[in-house]
Amino acid sequence: RKEVEQDPGPFNVPEGATVAFNCTYSNSASQSFFWYRQDCRKEPKLLMSVYSSGNEDGRFTAQLNRASQYISLLIRDSKLSDSATYLCVVSPPGYQLIWGAGTKLIIKP
Amino acid sequence: EAGVAQSPRYKIIEKRQSVAFWCNPISGHATLYWYQQILGQGPKLLIQFQNNGVVDDSQLPKDRFSAERLKGVDSTLKIQPAKLEDSAVYLCASGSGYRADTQYFGPGTRLTVL
Repeated sequence: RKEVEQDPGPFNVPEGATVAFNCTYSNSASQSFFWYRQDCRKEPKLLMSVYSSGNEDGRFTAQLNRASQYISLLIRDSKLSDSATYLCVVSPPGYQLIWGAGTKLIIKP
Repeated sequence: EAGVAQSPRYKIIEKRQSVAFWCNPISGHATLYWYQQILGQGPKLLIQFQNNGVVDDSQLPKDRFSAERLKGVDSTLKIQPAKLEDSAVYLCASGSGYRADTQYFGPGTRLTVL
């Protein structure tokens, strides 16, 4: 089993729809969780951190489910500009950061 | 505030040649990372520095890859000799701590090995 797994997609979603992705992790002792966004041929950029209590930033909501060992990202009222690859990052105990391979999202007009 | 600078942006070499990449982190950032991102995959950490000391190089192929961070600021990553499978984007990131939410990436160097 990979340490961090994501559905590669692509998710093809009409503009204005709600879409959600999950990211599963194998190390139950993982402590920190993040979602990054990566546009085509660009560097990754932090989208949001994921807290135990959940985290909302505008149209984006991130949740952590420790019992089932996954994090989720929900995007409401999707925009064309949301088209990107969404990478999850998990931090097990220690210094390491484990990156998922990303989920590709395509928002269609 | 200036971001993370990397050069060159693109490099094409033949297999068995050598190549070097340079990174200048954000001023004051003690942590510096080199990642390799192969097309369709997430970034893979190659090496992490804290100031000029190595924190993690467990995934660095040390038979061909080397990295240094002299004086705890700039860093260079070298590949010699290059293999076809080294074709990837090499991303440098710097941070004020160890958490991913303190990391900022440079634009990357796209390496093609022919």
